[in-house]
Amino acid sequence: DAKTTQPPSMDCAEGRAANLPCNHSTISGNEYVYWYRQIHSQGPQYIIHGLKNNETNEMASLIITEDRKSSTLILPHATLRDTAVYYCIVRVVGGATNKLIFGTGTLLAVQP
Amino acid sequence: DAGVTQSPTHLIKTRGQQVTLRCSPKSGHDTVSWYQQALGQGPQFIFQYYEEEERQRGNFPDRFSGHQFPNYSSELNVNALLLGDSALYLCASSSTGEAFFGQGTRLTVV
Repeated sequence: DAKTTQPPSMDCAEGRAANLPCNHSTISGNEYVYWYRQIHSQGPQYIIHGLKNNETNEMASLIITEDRKSSTLILPHATLRDTAVYYCIVRVVGGATNKLIFGTGTLLAVQP
Repeated sequence: DAGVTQSPTHLIKTRGQQVTLRCSPKSGHDTVSWYQQALGQGPQFIFQYYEEEERQRGNFPDRFSGHQFPNYSSELNVNALLLGDSALYLCASSSTGEAFFGQGTRLTVV
C-alpha cells in the first residue's frame, strides 16, 4: 500500500502557483520523498525528490516539513501543459528495495 | 540520448493468448522495473530486474514473467491472458538515482 495521502483533485489558474500537498506521516528516516507526474496516456515523469531539505529545480520546488510528515510540491507559474496527475511517493534509495509504490495521486487541472 | 523505449505501443490480444512486451532502458541504466496501470489507477509494481535476475516482485501471479538481457533490455511475458490484464504496461529504468519511464504499451485483451 502507498504510504502517502493526497487530495484526489485540485484546480489552479494559469500563471498562478500550484501547491500540491502530500501527507506521509509514517515515513522512515531513510526514505526520500519523490514526486512524479503523469500526463494523460503517457509514462510518469520524474519531477523532484528530497530527504529533509527543501529542493528546487527547473520544474518545481519541494518543501518538506521539519518533522518530515508532510510535503508540498510547488509549480511556481502553472501552465495548461501542467495539467496532469501528480504522485507523491516515499522511497528508500539504494539497495534492493527501490521500487515505486504509487497511490492514486492528485489530478491537477490548470484553468485558462 | 534516447530515453526508455517500449514496444509495441499498442496491441490487442485474445483471452488465453500469450504476449511479450519489450523495453530498452535509458543509456547508463542497469535496472529495469515493470508496472501495470489499470484505467483510473496508479501504476502497480510487477517486478524488477538487475544483473539479469528478478530482484523483487510485486503481488502478481506466475503468469507474469520477465527476462533481462546482457545489454540491460528487458521483456515482460504474460501467459493465459485474462480480460483483467487489459492495462497500460510501463517500463522504468534506473541506476542509482531516479527512475525514468517509457511511454508504455497499451494492451487490450478481448
